[in-house]
Amino acid sequence: RKEVEQDPGPFNVPEGATVAFNCTYSNSASQSFFWYRQDCRKEPKLLMSVYSSGNEDGRFTAQLNRASQYISLLIRDSKLSDSATYLCVVKGNNRLAFGKGNQVVVIP
Amino acid sequence: GAVVSQHPSRVICKSGTSVKIECRSLDFQATTMFWYRQFPKQSLMLMATSNEGSKATYEQGVEKDKFLINHASLTLSTLTVTSAHPEDSSFYICSARDTGSSYNEQFFGPGTRLTVL
Repeated sequence: RKEVEQDPGPFNVPEGATVAFNCTYSNSASQSFFWYRQDCRKEPKLLMSVYSSGNEDGRFTAQLNRASQYISLLIRDSKLSDSATYLCVVKGNNRLAFGKGNQVVVIP
Repeated sequence: GAVVSQHPSRVICKSGTSVKIECRSLDFQATTMFWYRQFPKQSLMLMATSNEGSKATYEQGVEKDKFLINHASLTLSTLTVTSAHPEDSSFYICSARDTGSSYNEQFFGPGTRLTVL
């Protein structure tokens, strides 16, 4: 079983709509959780950390469910500039494990 | 925010040659740097953890004699792909951990796209 699993999509989203996706992780001892954004042929960039109580940053909301070992990301009022691949990242044993990413395509 | 640079950004080489990639932390010291590889439509895979002044720690399945890592200073780590072959063609990304930050955040370089003909 992979450390971090994500459905690669693509997720085709009309502009202005809401899209949500999640990932699952296998290591129950994982300590920290993040969502990164990766644009085509670029390096990943930190979008937001994910806290146990859930957290929001503008149009982005992240949730963590430790019992079920999954993390979710919700994007409200999608913009064309949100088109990217969103990587679920889990930290444990002092190293980061990356999912394949959820590809989001926002359609005008 | 902290900046990590990589050089070169793109390299095309013939099979059998060696390629060196540099990773530099520009405005912070990094005791630890990480080297990742990403194939198309795949996740970033950690290849090795580079520690300043000591030997790198390689992930399972990564040949240390093929991927030579040197972390000679607190701001520079190099990855040398020796005797490169077409299957080594990939996107190589480094990241550096800010030693002075209480959050130990990792910052990624812009990546190096290697194409081996």
